[in-house]
Amino acid sequence: TQLLEQSPQFLSIQEGENLTVYCNSSSVFSSLQWYRQEPGEGPVLLVTVVTGGEVKKLKRLTFQFGDARKDSSLHITAAQPGDTGLYLCAGAKSGTYKYIFGTGTRLKVLA
Amino acid sequence: GAGVSQSPSNKVTEKGKDVELRCDPISGHTALYWYRQRLGQGLEFLIYFQGNSAPDKSGLPSDRFSAERTGESVSTLTIQRTQQEDSAVYLCASSSRGNRGGAWELFFGEGSRLTVL
Repeated sequence: TQLLEQSPQFLSIQEGENLTVYCNSSSVFSSLQWYRQEPGEGPVLLVTVVTGGEVKKLKRLTFQFGDARKDSSLHITAAQPGDTGLYLCAGAKSGTYKYIFGTGTRLKVLA
Repeated sequence: GAGVSQSPSNKVTEKGKDVELRCDPISGHTALYWYRQRLGQGLEFLIYFQGNSAPDKSGLPSDRFSAERTGESVSTLTIQRTQQEDSAVYLCASSSRGNRGGAWELFFGEGSRLTVL
């Protein structure tokens, strides 16, 4: 059973467009992370959110943790070809360091 | 080393053979994780270690899969009697406590790509 569902699964957009990726679960997480993975490499951490309702910004990327700590979103403003990759959310429940990863969103930004 | 190192980077084997995949974590990282990633998909949790203890083995797909870790160092993932459905990239990550609410930051290796013919 996949605890973290991401949508959309695939996204192909033009450079300069905005997009939002969603990560949803019926479970509560004590922390939620977003990673980006490029072909042939391991995922790289982008951000960690730990407080319900928390919003973090990383240049053109905005991350939000849902109030109930069951979901999260990643918004990219003015996407660039360098944003292309597989975006993964990951969460850990309270009292454990078992990180479960989402189903992934494959983003392609066309120049 | 500077990062997580995995070997071999590529392994092609015949169905029924045993394989061992190795992970060298970042020095000083107490936690070590193994994940499986099928082509174009997300990461499937297999097992994690805290030191050389494995608090959660629930992700191991079958009794053909086993893993061990020596102290807070090298880990080996062993797959016995490989099957074609075992073909995937096996990713290892190590971690230490981050600064955000006790969350652990995972640092990944580049993975071991296993192909079972």
